[in-house]
Amino acid sequence: EAGVAQSPRYKIIEKRQSVAFWCNPISGHATLYWYQQILGQGPKLLIQFQNNGVVDDSQLPKDRFSAERLKGVDSTLKIQPAKLEDSAVYLCASSVTGSGNTIYFGEGSWLTVV
Amino acid sequence: KQEVTQIPAALSVPEGENLVLNCSFTDSAIYNLQWFRQDPGKGLTSLLLIQSSQREQTSGRLNASLDKSSGRSTLYIAASQPGDSATYLCAVNTGNQFYFGTGTSLTVIP
Repeated sequence: EAGVAQSPRYKIIEKRQSVAFWCNPISGHATLYWYQQILGQGPKLLIQFQNNGVVDDSQLPKDRFSAERLKGVDSTLKIQPAKLEDSAVYLCASSVTGSGNTIYFGEGSWLTVV
Repeated sequence: KQEVTQIPAALSVPEGENLVLNCSFTDSAIYNLQWFRQDPGKGLTSLLLIQSSQREQTSGRLNASLDKSSGRSTLYIAASQPGDSATYLCAVNTGNQFYFGTGTSLTVIP
C-alpha cells in the first residue's frame, strides 16, 4: 500500500516570497490533515479536511496560509507571503475517518525562510 | 483544551537497557492514543495505537499502556538497541483532533 506522498521535500525561499506544498493521501482515506512542526516542538494542526470539506482550520493563519482539497483527494497548502517564523516542516497526514483510526504521516516538506 | 506533556524531553541509555517513556494528558475524554517515532529529517511513523477501551498494546519489543482516569500513557521499550534512537511522540485523539506532545528524544549508546 502506497503511503502519504508529499512534495517538494525541501524548499528554501526568501521572506515575502510564496511557496506551495502538495500532498497525496493514502487511497481511500477521507480525512486529510496538514500539520506544522517547528523544530523541537510537536506537530500543530493547521487544517483538517473530510473529503473536500474543511472540518477545522481554527489554527490556520488565514492572512497568509491557504489550503484546498479539490475532488476530495490531493491537497495543496500555500503560504504567501512567507515570514521567517514559517520555517518548519509541514506534515501531511491521512486517516480512514476522523476518529478511532490510525493516522498516517508523509515524510514532510521542510521549509526554510531566509 | 487538551494539553499533552512528555517527560523526559531527552533520554540517553546504554544498549540493552529497558526504558519507559511517559505521556500525560489533561482531558480523559479521548478516543485513542497513538505513539509515533520520528527519525531526523523524516515524518512520523506510527508504532502503537491504543483505543480508549484498551489498557495496553504490544508490538515486538514495544508495549504501550493507557490509564485514562489518570491521564497517563507509557511506552515501554525492552532491550534497547542503537536503532531505537529517535524522537518518540504521543498523540491523543479527542475525536475532533489529534493533540501531540513535544516528544522524548532517545539516544541508545552502543
